[in-house]
Amino acid sequence: DTGVSQNPRHKITKRGQNVTFRCDPISEHNRLYWYRQTLGQGPEFLTYFQNEAQLEKSRLLSDRFSAERPKGSFSTLEIQRTEQGDSAMYLCASSLSGGRTEAFFGQGTRLTVV
Amino acid sequence: DAKTTQPNSMESNEEEPVHLPCNHSTISGTDYIHWYRQLPSQGPEYVIHGLTSNVNNRMASLAIAEDRKSSTLILHRATLRDAAVYYCILRVPGNQFYFGTGTSLTVIP
Repeated sequence: DTGVSQNPRHKITKRGQNVTFRCDPISEHNRLYWYRQTLGQGPEFLTYFQNEAQLEKSRLLSDRFSAERPKGSFSTLEIQRTEQGDSAMYLCASSLSGGRTEAFFGQGTRLTVV
Repeated sequence: DAKTTQPNSMESNEEEPVHLPCNHSTISGTDYIHWYRQLPSQGPEYVIHGLTSNVNNRMASLAIAEDRKSSTLILHRATLRDAAVYYCILRVPGNQFYFGTGTSLTVIP
């Protein structure tokens, strides 16, 4: 297993378009997290899954954002009608459940909305 | 959101020890203290974590205060590759990780 994989690594889109990102977690990990990071800030929590169930969504996750994790494997994060304020690095992480386990992060997808 | 407080930035000379402090006065009894670091243009990387006792691994040591309201990440000999933003995080019962703004560590050759 090569770790958490995110695709694409970079995405440039025009304002108003829809974009979808994919995250492939470490195979035995039941937890999957999405974060957003803007320049100079720490990652901000968006949502997380345990297996296929989406257990929590941050208030940062507006109606234009939707995430899925079908069959508890890979996950997708879709942003509809993108806005310039959506420009950020989108990070995915996976872990086993439990407070004592570490999370492994992917390299992220850099979104630029022009 | 579980809160941690860290200095915005610190400097260290190469090959000297570095002590990165973190305050977490609102920690609850079941919260684990995690440290991650992030190099430029990369995702965060796990460093170390602990609950009550001090912890050591190949990357660093974690010293946890007796009342658990603060902790210190110790890099025993800083190298240029240790220059990164270091995040101190409380893993809350719901298992999310809430990041603060972290400490930007500069290592001086």
